[in-house]
Amino acid sequence: GDSVTQMEGPVTLSEEAFLTINCTYTATGYPSLFWYVQYPGEGLQLLLKATKADDKGSNKGFEATYRKETTSFHLEKGSVQVSDSAVYFCALSPPNAGGTSYGKLTFGQGTILTVHP
Amino acid sequence: DADVTQTPRNRITKTGKRIMLECSQTKGHDRMYWYRQDPGLGLRLIYYSFDVKDINKGEISDGYSVSRQAQAKFSLSLESAIPNQTALYFCATSDTRDRAVYNEQFFGPGTRLTVL
Repeated sequence: GDSVTQMEGPVTLSEEAFLTINCTYTATGYPSLFWYVQYPGEGLQLLLKATKADDKGSNKGFEATYRKETTSFHLEKGSVQVSDSAVYFCALSPPNAGGTSYGKLTFGQGTILTVHP
Repeated sequence: DADVTQTPRNRITKTGKRIMLECSQTKGHDRMYWYRQDPGLGLRLIYYSFDVKDINKGEISDGYSVSRQAQAKFSLSLESAIPNQTALYFCATSDTRDRAVYNEQFFGPGTRLTVL
């Protein structure tokens, strides 16, 4: 079945450092790929997504590129801020083929990011 | 007001008690989901519902039941709570009628449940 694997955390960085959180997936066909972010005490919210190979999702300075050849969707940010401290989840959704799997998400285990001033 | 609300936000209960977690949404979405979050395990799907007449089990439905009382309301019940059901529970919604965003989910703030 589908699965998502994220790099283990926690990740601790100083403000303005470069961030990479690795994500790889196993799925049939061309799934859609997502990064969700969970700030302390809140629910998850969509950060960015990509729906086909070589697409780049971006939002709030974060970027991730859908790499079919390496089945990866690594999250990057050039200069992190203290306010980026959160848990980051990589997720996938099966191709739009209808049925009971339509729209379902499979999540990775989450990566805790802490940014110090 | 929040689009997806969950009540209660925190609950402490004892082993063997029945408990219900409630979720309401004002987004008009057709599909609703219940997840649990455990440290190091990410989010795991408990149940999901296409509409009030269609309920489906997720990967960890044992020990849980759900009810979709209306399009906007989806409740999760633990008939006889046990300590390993201590977790953070999230409700989510999606609009599968919109092909542009059918697989984007919107989450409530979560309910922290502790079973003693």
